[in-house]
Amino acid sequence: GAVVSQHPSWVICKSGTSVKIECRSLDFQATTMFWYRQFPKQSLMLMATSNEGSKATYEQGVEKDKFLINHASLTLSTLTVTSAHPEDSSFYICSASLVYSYEQYFGPGTRLTVT
Amino acid sequence: DQQVKQNSPSLSVQEGRISILNCDYTNSMFDYFLWYKKYPAEGPTFLISISSIKDKNEDGRFTVFLNKSAKHLSLHIVPSQPGDSAVYFCAASKGGSEKLVFGKGTKLTVNP
Repeated sequence: GAVVSQHPSWVICKSGTSVKIECRSLDFQATTMFWYRQFPKQSLMLMATSNEGSKATYEQGVEKDKFLINHASLTLSTLTVTSAHPEDSSFYICSASLVYSYEQYFGPGTRLTVT
Repeated sequence: DQQVKQNSPSLSVQEGRISILNCDYTNSMFDYFLWYKKYPAEGPTFLISISSIKDKNEDGRFTVFLNKSAKHLSLHIVPSQPGDSAVYFCAASKGGSEKLVFGKGTKLTVNP
């Protein structure tokens, strides 16, 4: 149980275009989903917390207009990187948690390369 | 300000021996701690957790110890296996469905 999927697993896009990454909880309902970013050889950096049906809460320094997060249902959250630039190239990981649960279950991640 | 610290970026042990990974935290509001294992280009996998009301939790080869007064926790892996080679992240939380604060990770290498 507690499986989280991400799609796509990797994507290459041109500078200036937008990319959407999906995060799905496959066998449970996730009231809260989290989006992380990981740079090479660094820790996970939390970008935002999203609760189903409400606006995402962004961490300090994360541009909400650039990284659009939608959590329209209890099993799906999306991250859209708008007007992507090469510096947005990174490994993006989502996680989901059950109601009032401490454990987060992570997706396999999405490798974004912006050329 | 780093609230969760893993001061050893890497650790190397022999197969069959014990691996001890350490983690320190500064925020006394944390009441739940988790360890995750991560392979390159994959998402973290939950390993084991501990509530602040306990000082030890065991699951098979994995044991987590919590010393609240020292704000320190450790993950013991016994016996270590080559397949345990990965990056281990310590994380802390202040409540259910709250965000996790991660340490920078410790890369464990278990040599055959």
